[in-house]
Amino acid sequence: DVKVTQSSRYLVKRTGEKVFLECVQDMDHENMFWYRQDPGLGLRLIYFSYDVKMKEKGDIPEGYSVSREKKERFSLILESASTNQTSMYLCASSLLRRAYEQYFGPGTRLTVT
Amino acid sequence: GESVGLHLPTLSVQEGDNSIINCAYSNSASDYFIWYKQESGKGPQFIIDIRSNMDKRQGQRVTVLLNKTVKHLSLQIAATQPGDSAVYFCAENPVMNRDDKIIFGKGTRLHILP
Repeated sequence: DVKVTQSSRYLVKRTGEKVFLECVQDMDHENMFWYRQDPGLGLRLIYFSYDVKMKEKGDIPEGYSVSREKKERFSLILESASTNQTSMYLCASSLLRRAYEQYFGPGTRLTVT
Repeated sequence: GESVGLHLPTLSVQEGDNSIINCAYSNSASDYFIWYKQESGKGPQFIIDIRSNMDKRQGQRVTVLLNKTVKHLSLQIAATQPGDSAVYFCAENPVMNRDDKIIFGKGTRLHILP
């Protein structure tokens, strides 16, 4: 089974802090994705990556950056956390040619106070 | 623009009955349509996909129907069980350049009545 793990299930940070969310997958998938999930807004894509050191902006990249130094690891960075970034963050991975079949981690519930 | 939406935010079904979850889409250029299931406290889980050149695809207890004429997608779950309680998302995979994004709908919560 594909396993996607995220570094924390719950995280509380203060406004202005730099926040790192880590995601690791163990199935040698080329694609990795970061989403945020908010009530009433569904899943929105922040960034994705189809290869090491490659990244593409999703629908809501503002206020976020990403890093992919190794194939199995994809990090989401909030340079200066704000309260409107309080959300559930979900990481996913997929094979390059099956981007529609994504495997998700359990999510990180981030609260920015 | 692109959009994937659902007709009903909540669906209540008696245990043992069949469930039908509907979805409307607007992007005719999508290559794949997909259903995901998200149980409480978990990330979404891939259920089944259907390619745009197909009308129907069956899995284990699930059937996905695609009607391209009216841009409608549905997920049928046979003999609904308590474990089917979840939020179901439809999604589409638009074919645009080398973009590997999929676009998710807002989700329908399936509630199983005992």
